[in-house]
Amino acid sequence: DVKVTQSSRYLVKRTGEKVFLECVQDMDHENMFWYRQDPGLGLRLIYFSYDVKMKEKGDIPEGYSVSREKKERFSLILESASTNQTSMYLCASRPTGIDYGYTFGSGTRLTVV
Amino acid sequence: QQQVKQSPQSLIVQKGGISIINCAYENTAFDYFPWYQQFPGKGPALLIAIRPDVSEKKEGRFTISFNKSAKQFSLHIMDSQPGDSATYFCAASNGQGKLIFGQGTELSVKP
Repeated sequence: DVKVTQSSRYLVKRTGEKVFLECVQDMDHENMFWYRQDPGLGLRLIYFSYDVKMKEKGDIPEGYSVSREKKERFSLILESASTNQTSMYLCASRPTGIDYGYTFGSGTRLTVV
Repeated sequence: QQQVKQSPQSLIVQKGGISIINCAYENTAFDYFPWYQQFPGKGPALLIAIRPDVSEKKEGRFTISFNKSAKQFSLHIMDSQPGDSATYFCAASNGQGKLIFGQGTELSVKP
């Protein structure tokens, strides 16, 4: 069964901390995405990557960065966590060249206190 | 800006009834319109999708209706069941591979 695995299900961090959210996929997908999910706002794209070492900004990249050193791993970094970054973070992957069916991970619920 | 607007935000339907969720989009370059279903504690999963060259697509009890001139599309769930209770997201893509999602609809089907 194909999978996108997010390393933590729940995370509590303090304001100002540097936070790493990890995502690994086992489907050899070229494309990977980070979204945040907030009630009433749906899913909003933070960053995405079409290939190793490639990254592109999504709609809400401020306060975030990403790293993709290997094809299967896409990391989201909060440089200095703030309370307004408390949210559910979802990672997804998709192959190139067919209909855009994303496979999502189960999410990381991050609370910044 | 919100390029895909979804309504209603929440919906309660009796078992056996029809659930209808609507979405409207702005960008005429969008060419792929999927619906995702999300159960509590899980990530969204692709449910059904349509391209603008057809006006309707049906898969089992789930149907997408698409109105290109009105820039609207909707999800119909026939014979709704308690197991359909979930959050539903519409989305759109313009061929660059990234999806723009609607705000989500929390569906509750009462027995």
